[in-house]
Amino acid sequence: DAGITQSPRYKITETGRQVTLMCHQTWSHSYMFWYRQDLGHGLRLIYYSAAADITDKGEVPDGYVVSRSKTENFPLTLESATRSQTSVYFCATPGEGTDTQYFGPGTRLTVL
Amino acid sequence: GNSVTQMEGPVTLSEEAFLTINCTYTATGYPSLFWYVQYPGEGLQLLLKATKADDKGSNKGFEATYRKETTSFHLEKGSVQVSDSAVYFCALGSGGGADGLTFGKGTHLIIQP
Repeated sequence: DAGITQSPRYKITETGRQVTLMCHQTWSHSYMFWYRQDLGHGLRLIYYSAAADITDKGEVPDGYVVSRSKTENFPLTLESATRSQTSVYFCATPGEGTDTQYFGPGTRLTVL
Repeated sequence: GNSVTQMEGPVTLSEEAFLTINCTYTATGYPSLFWYVQYPGEGLQLLLKATKADDKGSNKGFEATYRKETTSFHLEKGSVQVSDSAVYFCALGSGGGADGLTFGKGTHLIIQP
């Protein structure tokens, strides 16, 4: 009964490399969300998905790509990482039968 | 568009003091309002929520009332403990979970023994 999990929990990479952050949910909810957390900004929505193969941009989508081939997975890819993408990334989904978003444990990404 | 404004910290209080963290919002329609808490090194946990005007959310001694007339959702606790030290986020959402949440910038609360 994990709910929502993210991997890796910590990642260090270099500028220009491609990085993929994974998110997995066990509730099979149709909606999933990616946020980034930065000091002084709170959390900001990057991308979200309403169902498998349906994705849409949030507030800060530039530099990110998402896919959703299966309902339970929602990977976030940084195609060419930049230092400004150093952040903590959270995946979220509404729990079973609720309107409340539940968050994964986060991935702390450092781009050198 | 939607926006959330909350008092910025850090807010430092002594144990057993009364806590208020202000939160005001701008939104179209009738959003749901949330308070999330983030303990050091951890992810976000839902603290409480309210889905319509005049609703009061409560959990772990914390309370917040959805005030439509003042567009506010202030967080209160009568007697804080050291273990309440954390970052608190006010957020709003609409669409029954189908929309992304709009967050305030967070308030860092420090409780001293």
